[in-house]
Amino acid sequence: AQTVTQSQPEMSVQEAETVTLSCTYDTSESDYYLFWYKQPPSRQMILVIRQEAYKQQNATENRFSVNFQKAAKSFSLKISDSQLGDAAMYFCAYRRSGTYKYIFGTGTRLKVLA
Amino acid sequence: DAMVIQNPRYQVTQFGKPVTLSCSQTLNHNVMYWYQQKSSQAPKLLFHYYDKDFNNEADTPDNFQSRRPNTSFCFLDIRSPGLGDAAMYLCATSRVRGMGTDTQYFGPGTRLTVL
Repeated sequence: AQTVTQSQPEMSVQEAETVTLSCTYDTSESDYYLFWYKQPPSRQMILVIRQEAYKQQNATENRFSVNFQKAAKSFSLKISDSQLGDAAMYFCAYRRSGTYKYIFGTGTRLKVLA
Repeated sequence: DAMVIQNPRYQVTQFGKPVTLSCSQTLNHNVMYWYQQKSSQAPKLLFHYYDKDFNNEADTPDNFQSRRPNTSFCFLDIRSPGLGDAAMYLCATSRVRGMGTDTQYFGPGTRLTVL
């Protein structure tokens, strides 16, 4: 069975600094998708970034980028120039290609310090 | 704006009293999901629909049922809520793309309190 592990329950970063959130996963599949979702306090979950496993190039979205290491089954999220609005729970998620089911990690709470 | 709407945002029910949570979407997505999320935990998938096809997770209690009368609406029925069912319930949708689906879009959630 596939699993997603986020080993950092909580992280803090100073405003304007860079922070990296870790995620590892376990799968025997070769074709899958990985996601980072952001869930601000009392607000809905939104997609931050998505990575297709068949793509070697790391995905980037403005200040957000990933470090996808397929062999190591690692998928970390880097947030550059952190802003107060980045404070939220961040969930790493996995979906096997050809399926509709997403598997989520336990989340990392990110605090941004002014 | 196209979106996923959940009503109510907050629901209080009594132990054992049936409750229904609703979700609607204007995205015209094929797939709709219901997740249960307890405080500081990962969302736990309860079930999902691909069009009218219902897919129940093996560990979803029988106490939880769902209905999808049309593409736009999906309901979560909790037949006899227990204290352990107090949680945030998230509805999500996604569009079928190729052999899987595109990104999930989430609603704001319904926070259920059981007294």
